[in-house]
Amino acid sequence: QKEVEQNSGPLSVPEGAIASLNCTYSDRGSQSFFWYRQYSGKSPELIMFIYSNGDKEDGRFTAQLNKASQYVSLLIRDSQPSDSATYLCAVSSSNDYKLSFGAGTTVTVRA
Amino acid sequence: EPEVTQTPSHQVTQMGQEVILRCVPISNHLYFYWYRQILGQKVEFLVSFYNNEISEKSEIFDDQFSVERPDGSNFTLKIRSTKLEDSAMYFCARRTRDRNTIYFGEGSWLTVV
Repeated sequence: QKEVEQNSGPLSVPEGAIASLNCTYSDRGSQSFFWYRQYSGKSPELIMFIYSNGDKEDGRFTAQLNKASQYVSLLIRDSQPSDSATYLCAVSSSNDYKLSFGAGTTVTVRA
Repeated sequence: EPEVTQTPSHQVTQMGQEVILRCVPISNHLYFYWYRQILGQKVEFLVSFYNNEISEKSEIFDDQFSVERPDGSNFTLKIRSTKLEDSAMYFCARRTRDRNTIYFGEGSWLTVV
């Protein structure tokens, strides 16, 4: 059973600050790592994916992966009220491509 | 990235009734998935569908569930004899050809009463 763990939050940050989200996973065979954003009542929206150890930046988002520690994180810089959502960490292995999700971290950006 | 279109957006059904949820890909993809999310819980994998066949299914996907692509376009999830615990948001998803990234449709909210 592939387990993906996230701090449930809520994580409250002031506008303009950095929000830091963490995720750990149990399956060492995991190859691909994703962050989805989910607004209440909506579907998950892919915001970042990372396959290799290190950092990957896309706009205000930075994903960090450490396979040795089985740890993946997401940083949101210059947080905006529109970033208020639940952020889902998901992992997949190369042989099945199905996603195992964490429970999500709820982020609230206060103006 | 184009998504998939799901219908209905919301359906209320009586317990024991059959429900069909539909997914229409905007472009021609080979890999499709159904996931579900019970209110307040994790997104859970149900089944993957590749080249018009089931490639993998979870423990949740028992005989009550079936998937098919009857006309080579629409991708359906059928739930026979619905139960109260089937109430959830059901997401169709597709995988891009060139990388292992999965995009979700807008979801179908099923309420069983």
